[in-house]
Amino acid sequence: GDSVTQMEGPVTLSEEAFLTINCTYTATGYPSLFWYVQYPGEGLQLLLKATKADDKGSNKGFEATYRKETTSFHLEKGSVQVSDSAVYFCALSDNNAGNMLTFGGGTRLMVKP
Amino acid sequence: DAGVTQSPTHLIKTRGQQVTLRCSPISGHKSVSWYQQVLGQGPQFIFQYYEKEERGRGNFPDRFSARQFPNYSSELNVNALLLGDSALYLCASSLGGQLTGELFFGEGSRLTVL
Repeated sequence: GDSVTQMEGPVTLSEEAFLTINCTYTATGYPSLFWYVQYPGEGLQLLLKATKADDKGSNKGFEATYRKETTSFHLEKGSVQVSDSAVYFCALSDNNAGNMLTFGGGTRLMVKP
Repeated sequence: DAGVTQSPTHLIKTRGQQVTLRCSPISGHKSVSWYQQVLGQGPQFIFQYYEKEERGRGNFPDRFSARQFPNYSSELNVNALLLGDSALYLCASSLGGQLTGELFFGEGSRLTVL
């Protein structure tokens, strides 16, 4: 079945540092890929998405590129802020499976001033 | 506009009991999905309902059931609770049955089974 693997956290960075959170996936078809973020005390929010190979999703300074050849969707940000501290989830959707998302285990990011 | 609302926010049950969790989707959204998030793990898909019909079911035992009402709100029921059912239960809504747009999540109902 489909699966998503993320780097384990926590990831601790200083403010303005460069962020990479690795995500790789296994899927039988051509899934859509997502990054969701969970801020403390809040629900999951969609951060960005990409629906086909070589698409780049971007939002709030975060970017991720759908790489079919390496089955990856790594999340990057050039300069993190304290307010980016949260848990980040990579997820995929088989485009024939309705609203079913398969999530990775999540990566906690802690940004220190 | 109100987002996805879930109730109760926290509850404690004992093994063998039954629990009902409730979800109201965003106004105009016709699809509701349920996910289980065990502490330290990613959410796992339980059910999707669209226009009151079950559209998908994850790998959960028959102790888990759900339904969607004419106003598109939904209930998740879990019978014969086990310690391992302790988790954050998330409800998500979307406009349609396919994930062509964004899935909007509620803040969850945290269930503790003692």
